[in-house]
Amino acid sequence: AQKVTQAQTEISVVEKEDVTLDCVYETRDTTYYLFWYKQPPSGELVFLIRRNSFDEQNEISGRYSWNFQKSTSSFNFTITASQVVDSAVYFCALRSPETGANNLFFGTGTRLTVIP
Amino acid sequence: DAGVIQSPRHEVTEMGQEVTLRCKPISGHNSLFWYRQTMMRGLELLIYFNNNVPIDDSGMPEDRFSAKMPNASFSTLKIQPSEPRDSAVYFCASSWFGGKYDEQFFGPGTRLTVL
Repeated sequence: AQKVTQAQTEISVVEKEDVTLDCVYETRDTTYYLFWYKQPPSGELVFLIRRNSFDEQNEISGRYSWNFQKSTSSFNFTITASQVVDSAVYFCALRSPETGANNLFFGTGTRLTVIP
Repeated sequence: DAGVIQSPRHEVTEMGQEVTLRCKPISGHNSLFWYRQTMMRGLELLIYFNNNVPIDDSGMPEDRFSAKMPNASFSTLKIQPSEPRDSAVYFCASSWFGGKYDEQFFGPGTRLTVL
């Protein structure tokens, strides 16, 4: 069965601090895909990144970086030098097509508040 | 591209009324998803379609919920009769299943309030 755990329900940081959002996943499949989405206060869900299970290379995009480690089944998200605009709920999600499923399994989300 | 379009953005109705939510996926996408988001249950998949065919509707709460996709550019989610516990934000998402980049793109959501 597929499962995504985001143990951090809420995090508050002061602007310019670095923050890491944790994501741990479970799947029996060898091929799978991991995603991060951002949900700002306006409510829409914004796609941030997609990573497949064969690519453990870390990704950096501006102030955002992602650390994928299959050994610990984790796909953590770090924001460097946080800004107030980063305040949002962040969701980690898993898709395991080998089981025939095209749908995403979402974690419960981490609410990040960046204090000016 | 206009992205995924949902209408209405907000809907307030009374218990027992029929509610129809609409979605236009991104042109060229072949998969469409309906999700519901509540504080208690988070984001949960209701149903998804591949090439207009319903593939998995195991998330549909009960027979009061139904979804259709008559063509590649339109889908509806209907609740009849509606109940207060149906109050939630309903998201539609689309993707290109089978391609190299198959991430789902979400619409802005419909906030449903059932009084």
